[in-house]
Amino acid sequence: SAVISQKPSRDICQRGTSLTIQCQVDSQVTMMFWYRQQPGQSLTLIATANQGSEATYESGFVIDKFPISRPNLTFSTLTVSNMSPEDSSIYLCSVEGQGVSGANVLTFGAGSRLTVL
Amino acid sequence: DAKTTQPTSMDCAEGRAANLPCNHSTISGNEYVYWYRQIHSQGPQYIIHGLKNNETNEMASLIITEDRKSSTLILPHATLRDTAVYYCIVRGEKHLLLVMVSSGTYKYIFGTGTRLKVLA
Repeated sequence: SAVISQKPSRDICQRGTSLTIQCQVDSQVTMMFWYRQQPGQSLTLIATANQGSEATYESGFVIDKFPISRPNLTFSTLTVSNMSPEDSSIYLCSVEGQGVSGANVLTFGAGSRLTVL
Repeated sequence: DAKTTQPTSMDCAEGRAANLPCNHSTISGNEYVYWYRQIHSQGPQYIIHGLKNNETNEMASLIITEDRKSSTLILPHATLRDTAVYYCIVRGEKHLLLVMVSSGTYKYIFGTGTRLKVLA
């Protein structure tokens, strides 16, 4: 299965600033997914990032707040814009690819833990 | 919204089987049941999945009822390292854009999960 590297692993940010999270995959993948996990909560899908086209956002998430880039088949970025303390979360990048069983499975990065003061 | 419901938490004695239930009464005929787990401070990890037959791998077994409205993940001999949140997922609708770009890709919508604590 794919190996995913996310940067930064954690950061502390000031209110009103923006932060870009990078996601690097060791193989070419068509779809990359960005999730948010608020403290003590489950994962919420933010958007699906398609190479060469606009990301597809889930209800409650908008491009102005969470712009996504997908310049090639191994890389994507998620920006959290104009941050407020409510944006304090873990942001996870994931891709779907073949697992050891040959079936398509989701693989996740370790996540980026953001704290907004 | 997630199409699954799971108990919030469960305890299991070390060495015993952990049986984690999941209800998915609105599952469609072509939707799979997936199980993932998330150990503290890590990204979720794939465990197993199935359509209608029972499945077993080196990590766990998955039992799906005949009507497919519920399933059970079984960890046959739970260890302390199995303490985690376990998510049961039914793959979501095929997105139109995804169909155009890459057939067979579905959204994965996570529910609240079951927090399993394995006790020494």
